[in-house]
Amino acid sequence: DAGVIQSPRHEVTEMGQEVTLRCKPISGHDYLFWYRQTMMRGLELLIYFNNNVPIDDSGMPEDRFSAKMPNASFSTLKIQPSEPRDSAVYFCASSLGDYLRPSYEQYFGPGTRLTVT
Amino acid sequence: AQSVTQLGSHVSVSEGALVLLRCNYSSSVPPYLFWYVQYPNQGLQLLLKYTSAATLVKGINGFEAEFKKSETSFHLTKPSAHMSDAAEYFCAVSDRANTDKLIFGTGTRLQVFP
Repeated sequence: DAGVIQSPRHEVTEMGQEVTLRCKPISGHDYLFWYRQTMMRGLELLIYFNNNVPIDDSGMPEDRFSAKMPNASFSTLKIQPSEPRDSAVYFCASSLGDYLRPSYEQYFGPGTRLTVT
Repeated sequence: AQSVTQLGSHVSVSEGALVLLRCNYSSSVPPYLFWYVQYPNQGLQLLLKYTSAATLVKGINGFEAEFKKSETSFHLTKPSAHMSDAAEYFCAVSDRANTDKLIFGTGTRLQVFP
């Protein structure tokens, strides 16, 4: 398997522009997580999905952020409008969970480094 | 609520020396604990996990960690550091009330000098 795939790997945009980050989880995994990593705040869970349904979005910073998972093999994280303080590395992770094997063994993608100027 | 505290944001060792990265947890229920490693410009990768079985857990690349309930600790060790071990290491605890989620520590950056 190719692992979790994220695109783009780097994104530079101007303040006020819309940014869309993309993620393809590992085939067969039923959980998908979006994280943000910054020097100041460390690694933060933004939102996660189970079977394409958002389960917990309490980490989404504000209404400018939205995430969707239209099918089992694709998810997007959108920021509209973007602000300089959104600059960070955004990671997508996926996992396979069931009653006997909770989904804590997460597989991370390489991340998207977002710079908002 | 569960949480983890990693003592020391930076640790430096010489090649061949013992590596010790500290993690203490707080949990109202028996925890599941994890160590992840992040190499430069990469995502996190699971090193090892404790899930209520043996208290001494062996992971990849020669790392191991011991769960000590009396000390609420889950320190990561490696007998002999290698240059390739230079990375950032994250301790994490699962939210047992919601095992889908991991709660990560702030990370410890390990430097290995020749």
